[in-house]
Amino acid sequence: DQQVKQNSPSLSVQEGRISILNCDYTNSMFDYFLWYKKYPAEGPTFLISISSIKDKNEDGRFTVFLNKSAKHLSLHIVPSQPGDSAVYFCAAINYNQGGKLIFGQGTELSVKP
Amino acid sequence: DTEVTQTPKHLVMGMTNKKSLKCEQHMGHRAMYWYKQKAKKPPELMFVYSYEKLSINESVPSRFSPECPNSSLLNLHLHALQPEDSALYLCASSPRDRSYEQYFGPGTRLTVT
Repeated sequence: DQQVKQNSPSLSVQEGRISILNCDYTNSMFDYFLWYKKYPAEGPTFLISISSIKDKNEDGRFTVFLNKSAKHLSLHIVPSQPGDSAVYFCAAINYNQGGKLIFGQGTELSVKP
Repeated sequence: DTEVTQTPKHLVMGMTNKKSLKCEQHMGHRAMYWYKQKAKKPPELMFVYSYEKLSINESVPSRFSPECPNSSLLNLHLHALQPEDSALYLCASSPRDRSYEQYFGPGTRLTVT
C-alpha cells in the first residue's frame, strides 16, 4: 500500500521557468509533509515542510502548496536553475507514529540551460 | 553546525564479517534514525531512537543491530549480512521543536560480497 505517490518519475524544465513537482497521498492522518532533494550518492537534503493545517509555505524560490481535500501537494521552484537538477522526494509523517517518514518514489528534475 | 556525519563513506564486507557504521550529530537533536536506500528507490526506515532509547524497529533482521551510546552518536552493527543487504545506509536526526523534520547524513555505501 503506497501511501505517498509521485506519479511522474521525471520532469524536464528550461532554466528560469517554473518547476512543479506533484505528490499525492492516501492517509488523511498525516500531520506534516516534507520535500527533500537528493543528488546521486548523497543523503537527502531537507528543503521545505508544511503542516497539514496550512495550505501554503514559502522559502525563497521554493513554495509548497497543500490541498487537503484532494490529498495533493506540490512543490514549485521559481526560477529553476541548473543546480536544481536532482531527484525530489515528497515525504509525509503522522506525528503519533513516532517519527516514521513515508517517502514517495521520487521525481528526477532536469533543468536545462 | 547543521551537519550529520557518517563513517565510513564506503564499506565492502564479506558475508562472515562483522563491521559497524557510525553516525554523529552535534545539533542537540534527541531523535536519530537509520534508513536503508536501494538504487532508484526511496529511503526505508529501519530504526528510530528517541532520547537514546529504541522506539521503532521496522521488523529489521537481527543481523542489523543498532546502538545509541549517547545523544550524539548512533551506531549500526552488521554481522552475517547477505548480498541483498548492499545499499546506501542513511542516518538522520531531528530537532526537539520540529521533530517531524529529519536531517540526513551523506550515507554509507555498503557492498556485501
